[in-house]
Amino acid sequence: AQRVTQPEKLLSVFKGAPVELKCNYSYSGSPELFWYVQYSRQRLQLLLRHISRESIKGFTADLNKGETSFHLKKPFAQEEDSAMYYCALVRKGNQFYFGTGTSLTVIP
Amino acid sequence: GAGVSQSPSNKVTEKGKDVELRCDPISGHTALYWYRQSLGQGLEFLIYFQGNSAPDKSGLPSDRFSAERTGGSVSTLTIQRTQQEDSAVYLCASSPTVTLNTEAFFGQGTRLTVV
Repeated sequence: AQRVTQPEKLLSVFKGAPVELKCNYSYSGSPELFWYVQYSRQRLQLLLRHISRESIKGFTADLNKGETSFHLKKPFAQEEDSAMYYCALVRKGNQFYFGTGTSLTVIP
Repeated sequence: GAGVSQSPSNKVTEKGKDVELRCDPISGHTALYWYRQSLGQGLEFLIYFQGNSAPDKSGLPSDRFSAERTGGSVSTLTIQRTQQEDSAVYLCASSPTVTLNTEAFFGQGTRLTVV
């Protein structure tokens, strides 16, 4: 079975501090992994995907197959980063599986 | 339209009434998902449609919940005999599942309030 775990429901950091949102997955094959973000009063949208190996809004995420993790990181948090973040997994040709989300608050 | 569209945006209903929520996915997307987002909570999977395959209904919380997808496009989520605990934002998403760079696109949601 596919499963995505986000252990932190709530996370608060001070502006300028590093932030890491944790995501662990369980899947025996080679999944595609994503981070989605939902800002206040906006719809859920894709932030980044692991196959692109990109940095979006200063965020990066590295797929660690040994630890089955896909943690989201940013070296210096900004107030506008406050949002709900969801980690997601999809097996090619199959459905998306979302974690339960982490609410990030960046304290000014 | 360019994105996933949901209607209505807001729905207030009396306890015990039935409600229907509509989702228009992006044209050509074979996969369609319904999720529920309660106040302060994360995403709760409800149901998944993929083409002509039997839907994955494993997330529906009770038999008062049902969903249909007609002609592989528009979907309707029906909640019968609504209860106060059904109050939440109901999100729909669609995706093209067979491409390498697949992505799930979300609608703006329907906020359901049961009074």
